[in-house]
Amino acid sequence: QVHLVESGGALVKPGGSLRLSCAASGFTLSDYYMSWVRQAPGKGLRWLSYLSGDGSVVHYADSVRGRFTIYRDNAKNSLFLQMNGLRAEDTAVYYCARDILGGFDSWGQGTLVTVSS
Amino acid sequence: SYELTQPPSVSVSPGQTARITCSGDELSTQYGYWYQQKPGQAPVLLIYKDSERASGIPERFSGSSSGTTVTLTISGVQAEDEAHYYCQSGATGGLYYVFGTGTEVTVL
Repeated sequence: QVHLVESGGALVKPGGSLRLSCAASGFTLSDYYMSWVRQAPGKGLRWLSYLSGDGSVVHYADSVRGRFTIYRDNAKNSLFLQMNGLRAEDTAVYYCARDILGGFDSWGQGTLVTVSS
Repeated sequence: SYELTQPPSVSVSPGQTARITCSGDELSTQYGYWYQQKPGQAPVLLIYKDSERASGIPERFSGSSSGTTVTLTISGVQAEDEAHYYCQSGATGGLYYVFGTGTEVTVL
C-alpha cells in the first residue's frame, strides 16, 4: 500500500529557511517522478516542483524557482524540499505526491508551513 | 503558464447528476485529471487521462474530453460527494503542471 508522510512544517520568520521531508513506503521511490504541491489557507492547489526517479530531471514553478530545491534520497526512500528566502505568501500546507507523468495518484497528508514575524 | 478555469460552485440534489467543466487551451493536447478534496484532507485522484477511473473510485464518477474542455460527471450524487473538485493538466513539453481554480460541490 502506497503511503507518503510529510514532515518538517513549522512557523518560520520571513527570509528564513525550512526543509520538508516526505517519507515513502509501499513502493520504490526511484521508480517514480515525485512532486511537491501546496495549498494556501482557503485557496486552491498549486504545483511547485517535480523530480525524476533518478534525479536527473527537475522543474520548478516560477513562484519558487531559485528559492526552493527539490531532491531525493532513494536509499532512504525519501523526498525533500529545501525552502530558502521564505515569504508570507509561502504560507501553505505542503503535499508530496507520486507523479504518474501527467497527474498525481498518491498524496501525503500534508505539512503546514507558516511564514510570519 | 496557462490557466484552467472551473465554475466556482455547483449545487445538486441527491440522486441527480452534477457536471463540472474545466477549460484551458492546453487541454486540446494534454490529458486532464480530476481530484476530490474534502475539508482537512489531502486530494484524492478520481479520473486520469481524461476518462480513466482511478482505483477504488465509484462508477458514478466519470470523465470526458472535447476540444479544450474536460468534464467531470457525478451521476446519482450522494451526500458524501460534497467536496471541492480540482482539474489538473500538464503543459506541452512537460515543463510544469497546472491545477484548475476548483469547484465546490454542494449537495442540497
